[in-house]
Amino acid sequence: EAQVTQNPRYLITVTGKKLTVTCSQNMNHEYMSWYRQDPGLGLRQIYYSMNVEVTDKGDVPEGYKVSRKEKRNFPLILESPSPNQTSLYFCASRTVLGTEAFFGQGTRLTVV
Amino acid sequence: KQEVTQIPAALSVPEGENLVLNCSFTDSAIYNLQWFRQDPGKGLTSLLLIQSSQREQTSGRLNASLDKSSGRSTLYIAASQPGDSATYLCAVFSGGYNKLIFGAGTRLAVHP
Repeated sequence: EAQVTQNPRYLITVTGKKLTVTCSQNMNHEYMSWYRQDPGLGLRQIYYSMNVEVTDKGDVPEGYKVSRKEKRNFPLILESPSPNQTSLYFCASRTVLGTEAFFGQGTRLTVV
Repeated sequence: KQEVTQIPAALSVPEGENLVLNCSFTDSAIYNLQWFRQDPGKGLTSLLLIQSSQREQTSGRLNASLDKSSGRSTLYIAASQPGDSATYLCAVFSGGYNKLIFGAGTRLAVHP
């Protein structure tokens, strides 16, 4: 089954404690991206990757890092989380331009 | 700058009604438009993808149309059911922006 898998689904952490949210897709997609969703602000792109070892900033990259060492995986790293990073996070993947985007089930992150 | 607007923001209807949800975008240079469904606090489920060269797509009780020149898409839901209650999001993919740009969504409630 074609899918994008995020882990964990729920995470509560404390300010400053480094964390990683994993994302994996099984569709051999070149393009992967991360979004955050906040009430009143909608979905905003954090980072994206066009292929292995190619990443670029989206609209709200501050406080986040990503890496793309393998085609299937695109982890999101918060080196020093802060309460304003409390949000619902989504990973997405797609193949070349013009194809359907698939989303993971989301990660609900709370930073206290 | 690409902006996506969805009207109405919220809709409450009795079961059985036929519905039209609207989506408009400001830059007609898109590769595709995708409609999603999101249940509260959950992930995004892809409903329909319309390529820029297509006029409509159908899946079951759902029909989506695209008029690229006027920057509009509609999602038609036939014979609505309580299980259709969710937020519906439209998103456009433009190569120049390297991301999906989402509307704020239409929150639909179908009551028995």
